[in-house]
Formats: sequence, C-alpha cells, structure tokens
Amino acid sequence: SFELTQPPSVSVSPGQTARITCSGDALPKKYAYWYQQKSGQAPVLVIYEDSKRPSGIPERFSGSSSGTMATLTISGAQVEDEADYYCYSTDSSVNNSVFGTGTKVTVL
Amino acid sequence: EVQLVQSGAEVKKPGESLKISCKASGYNFTSYWIAWVRQMPGKGLEWMGILYPGDSETRYSPAFQGQVTISADKSINTAYLQWSSLKASDTATYYCARPTTYSDYHYWGQGTLVTVSS
Repeated sequence: SFELTQPPSVSVSPGQTARITCSGDALPKKYAYWYQQKSGQAPVLVIYEDSKRPSGIPERFSGSSSGTMATLTISGAQVEDEADYYCYSTDSSVNNSVFGTGTKVTVL
Repeated sequence: EVQLVQSGAEVKKPGESLKISCKASGYNFTSYWIAWVRQMPGKGLEWMGILYPGDSETRYSPAFQGQVTISADKSINTAYLQWSSLKASDTATYYCARPTTYSDYHYWGQGTLVTVSS
C-alpha cells in the first residue's frame, strides 16, 4: 500500500533550523506537499510541488525533494511554528493520495 | 474570497445515516476539485477522496471506498459526505478542502465534528 513515513517528533530551540523528512516510494515521480496544523485548527498549506511557497507563508519555510525523500526545513524556527506537520503526495499508479504519518514540531 | 463553510457538529447513534455538507463560495464551483479529509481524535490526517463537480468524477481512497459517498449539488455550490450506517469508529473531525490544481489544498473548511455513540 502507498505510505509516507515521517518522524513522530522534532524538537528545536528558537532560532534553530528544524528539518522534517518524509519518505515514500512514489516521491521520485510525484510532488510532495506540506501542511501545518496547529492545535484545534484546520491545516494550512506551507509548501506545494516540492519547494513552492504559497503567498503569506514566511520565507523561513522551504522544501526540497530527492529520490524517495522530501524535506521541509524551517530556518530560524519561531515559537509560533509549533504545530503538527504532514507531508502529502499521490500514488504513482492509481488515483489515490495519502498524508504522511505526521511530525510534531516543538520549539522551546 | 474563496470560502468553504461546513455544516455543524453532529451526534449520532451507531447504525444511523448522516450527510454533512461543505458550501463553497467565491469561485466557480464546477471548475475545481473538492476533497474530504478525516481526522480521528488525537490522530493524523487521512485523505478520503475527491470529487470534480464539473463532471462528478469521484476518486476514493481504498480505505474509504464503499464506506462513504462523496457527492455534490452544483445548483447550490455544495459538496457532501455521507454514511448509510455509522459506526463508533467514524467519530472524527471531517474537513473539506479545495485545491488550486489537484493536490495543493489552499482552502479548507472549518471542520465538522461527528460523534457516533450509543
């Protein structure tokens, strides 16, 4: 089955760089997308098509992808970046999509 | 301004049916896909399926195929998610989301909490 695997948690101090990985067999052929979800809120798109940033998303958020791994980087993480982050992609062979397992980012 | 406004919280008993809604505004409803996403209490996001209101093409995650029905009423710019027989395990918050192309969900509804309990 189609899966995207993320580390359960990442912890950084304010101003440090947080890197969240997403591993999946379809990623060499399909784009990765990244969503931020703060407690009690709907998700927000922070990166699309591997590395593009929607308007309104701070420049400290960046994305990259190589082979079977995509990475979300928060450069100079802020306390307000504490949230759950989910990668997302589509299956290369069928009309199916999936979210990653999710990573809780703690900034303290 | 694009807006997705979902119907309110529901409390149902196992075996009951339910249809929740997602009313879209601020764009041409028939020109963009609309998806549904489940989030069980304390758990991650799960992609359920997606519908293109223009021609009603619908794609389901294998995990949800046959368990729910996704539909839309173009005349009132509203998408639906329905169950014919709820289970306690359907307890979750359900979000509708609209991409700009297919996977980039720039717009989200506020979520609908469905509680299924005897």
